[in-house]
Amino acid sequence: QQQVKQSPQSLIVQKGGISIINCAYENTAFDYFPWYQQFPGKGPALLIAIRPDVSEKKEGRFTISFNKSAKQFSLHIMDSQPGDSATYFCAASGDNQGGKLIFGQGTELSVKP
Amino acid sequence: KAGVTQTPRYLIKTRGQQVTLSCSPISGHRSVSWYQQTPGQGLQFLFEYFSETQRNKGNFPGRFSGRQFSNSRSEMNVSTLELGDSALYLCASSLKGNTEAFFGQGTRLTVV
Repeated sequence: QQQVKQSPQSLIVQKGGISIINCAYENTAFDYFPWYQQFPGKGPALLIAIRPDVSEKKEGRFTISFNKSAKQFSLHIMDSQPGDSATYFCAASGDNQGGKLIFGQGTELSVKP
Repeated sequence: KAGVTQTPRYLIKTRGQQVTLSCSPISGHRSVSWYQQTPGQGLQFLFEYFSETQRNKGNFPGRFSGRQFSNSRSEMNVSTLELGDSALYLCASSLKGNTEAFFGQGTRLTVV
């Protein structure tokens, strides 16, 4: 019940295309869902996050869509650029978890020029 | 505002030794969490400290321990190192947990 399942494991997108990464969770006590971007040799960087009181959040080219009833959320990267090539992690946490984030397994995104 | 600082960046240790890693959180952040990242297991939660108290602990053996000081700086210790402990150890800080968490660059530990 603590797992967050992320798909796909890897993704290849053409420059200018839309990258979509999906995550699913089981624990209904989760109430905070961030996405992180990680480049090789670096720590994960917070990209965007959402709470269940909204169904969508947009920041620049990045959008989170959240479906509370399906217990799923996804990251959309519009107009994908080669510089977006990185590993993306979804995560979840709840008030009763303190600072504990449960991470998905990660998606390696490659944007081809 | 300075980010999360982890030291050292790289470490090579021998099996059976012990190691201490350090994390300085963002100023004002009271929650510090530690994660182990490996290619096979991904990002796994080790433990979280808030105001010097361990609030949550992951499924790691007792060889992994940590502490937090009054200035919110945190250390984690791994005793009796095993080859399987080779990983990137990441520290994240947040204001109070369950909010925006910011990661450091990590400490790359290699056990030989």
